[in-house]
Amino acid sequence: KAGVTQTPRYLIKTRGQQVTLSCSPISGHRSVSWYQQTPGQGLQFLFEYFSETQRNKGNFPGRFSGRQFSNSRSEMNVSTLELGDSALYLCASSLASGGLVQETQYFGPGTRLLVL
Amino acid sequence: AQTVTQSQPEMSVQEAETVTLSCTYDTSESDYYLFWYKQPPSRQMILVIRQEAYKQQNATENRFSVNFQKAAKSFSLKISDSQLGDAAMYFCAYRRGNTPLVFGKGTRLSVIA
Repeated sequence: KAGVTQTPRYLIKTRGQQVTLSCSPISGHRSVSWYQQTPGQGLQFLFEYFSETQRNKGNFPGRFSGRQFSNSRSEMNVSTLELGDSALYLCASSLASGGLVQETQYFGPGTRLLVL
Repeated sequence: AQTVTQSQPEMSVQEAETVTLSCTYDTSESDYYLFWYKQPPSRQMILVIRQEAYKQQNATENRFSVNFQKAAKSFSLKISDSQLGDAAMYFCAYRRGNTPLVFGKGTRLSVIA
């Protein structure tokens, strides 16, 4: 079974631009979570989607948004990029059944975003 | 809020030796899950081992085992017969129900040949 995939793997943008990152979960997984990883702040939770609904949201400004499609694929968008948005963005998926999401999250390889 | 603390920013181990990475956490809950993830230079976050808090038996996965002390809120990872491929950042993480994973700051493990 294929793992979590993320595209693109690397991205260079300039301040003020916007960016969209994509995540395809493991087949059958319906929960997708996004995390930001930086050297200074470590791993921080952005948001989680389940059945096309945002279920949890971290403490990030409104410039960060996401969505999930009916096939469980998810996208996150960052508008008006700032230098501090440079980070590794990790997507993770979890199996869910009967509305319950299993606790174990499996991660994709990440998208490395550099904002100049 | 739950917090996870990894007090060892860096550790090293000789190849074939055993090393233990420490993790403590703070929670008022009784039902939760704990994880160790490995992040090699490729940056891919790989699940190493998981522990359900309601289980008294310590989890093991081949050369990896944990020492779970629920009362002390301690969750250490032991790597036996260390291999060069074990060199990576190791993150301890906590999760309860459908809440997000809470990660520690990580421990960088070096393996010396």
